[in-house]
Amino acid sequence: KQEVTQIPAALSVPEGENLVLNCSFTDSAIYNLQWFRQDPGKGLTSLLLIQSSQREQTSGRLNASLDKSSGRSTLYIAASQPGDSATYLCAGPLGNKLVFGAGTILRVKS
Amino acid sequence: NAGVTQTPKFQVLKTGQSMTLQCAQDMNHEYMSWYRQDPGMGLRLIHYSVGAGITDQGEVPNGYNVSRSTTEDFPLRLLSAAPSQTSVYFCASSYSSPLRGSVKNIQYFGAGTRLSVL
Repeated sequence: KQEVTQIPAALSVPEGENLVLNCSFTDSAIYNLQWFRQDPGKGLTSLLLIQSSQREQTSGRLNASLDKSSGRSTLYIAASQPGDSATYLCAGPLGNKLVFGAGTILRVKS
Repeated sequence: NAGVTQTPKFQVLKTGQSMTLQCAQDMNHEYMSWYRQDPGMGLRLIHYSVGAGITDQGEVPNGYNVSRSTTEDFPLRLLSAAPSQTSVYFCASSYSSPLRGSVKNIQYFGAGTRLSVL
């Protein structure tokens, strides 16, 4: 069974700070992991999909890593901005299904 | 491309009523799924489909039915609404199922349907 946990549940940082969001999973046979962003009252937007054959994936100020041996993925946000304020969710596959973490609520203060 | 379109955006039902939440995608995606999102519980999978004519249950299927007669559409039916079904419902689609483990598994989400059952 795949269980996905995200720590911390909420995070508040000043603008410009670099930050790391954590995602842990129980099934080390995971073959990819996705990170999503959700703005209040909106649907989810895919940020990055990192495959098990990769160790990192980058998009702009975002960098995601995947370490299957430790059961962890991290999302690194560089030089955070108020516009980065949102809920960030990670999801891992379990057969034909995706299992989501509960998310980290990020607030970047100006 | 419109992406994933969900209708309606908001709905209020009385206990016992039935209704259908609509989901359509114009990206020729094989895989479609329905989730509900509740405070403190994250997203939970209700039903999913790996292609036209094929559906399967997710984590919380009770009280919901689905069908997939075309590649584009994946409606979710509430058979007899209950207050416990008050939630935000999201439809998502991707080229392939999570089992394939490739970039074709990137999920595209609709804007959601906010449902209240009184």
